[in-house]
Amino acid sequence: AQSVTQPDIHITVSEGASLELRCNYSYGATPYLFWYVQSPGQGLQLLLKYFSGDTLVQGIKGFEAEFKRSQSSFNLRKPSVHWSDAAEYFCAVGAKNNDMRFGAGTRLTVKP
Amino acid sequence: GAVVSQHPSWVICKSGTSVKIECRSLDFQATTMFWYRQFPKQSLMLMATSNEGSKATYEQGVEKDKFLINHASLTLSTLTVTSAHPEDSSFYICSARSAGNTDTQYFGPGTRLTVL
Repeated sequence: AQSVTQPDIHITVSEGASLELRCNYSYGATPYLFWYVQSPGQGLQLLLKYFSGDTLVQGIKGFEAEFKRSQSSFNLRKPSVHWSDAAEYFCAVGAKNNDMRFGAGTRLTVKP
Repeated sequence: GAVVSQHPSWVICKSGTSVKIECRSLDFQATTMFWYRQFPKQSLMLMATSNEGSKATYEQGVEKDKFLINHASLTLSTLTVTSAHPEDSSFYICSARSAGNTDTQYFGPGTRLTVL
């Protein structure tokens, strides 16, 4: 069965600093991987997704993620964090036509 | 494109009453809709998957008689929490997937249910 691990429950970075949020997955075949962002009391917004092809995926809001099969990872990165990026970030794994499984989430706090 | 709405955005009800939450795909036909539940500071837990015109498939541990799901049209799915209790208080989020793009789920904004 597929599963997702986000090792960091909470991360604090200074505004302007770089960011990396970790995600490890377990899946028997080539997974479909997603990163979503959730602001307090809101639904989920898709940041980016990986299905196949180039392992470096560009998303919205300046985010990118890199799929590393050998490490079963799909870490999210941003070179310079803005205060508005403070939110909860969820990594998810799924397969074509199937439901998704979400990680526990990483809460990002941005210091001025 | 790919907008999903939920109504209501929040609801407070008395214990023992039933509450219906609507999930609509506004600009696409959703052949499949998903219902998730999210407790404070926790991740989303899939409750059930519904395909238009079929009975919903519930995840293990989710009471189908308590959480009634109807997906009667390609743009609307409803979740009814029957005989609600305080422990049903949660954030309920739906998502929708179209036949033309089965790889991605589009999420609604969620419904906050508080049962007194």
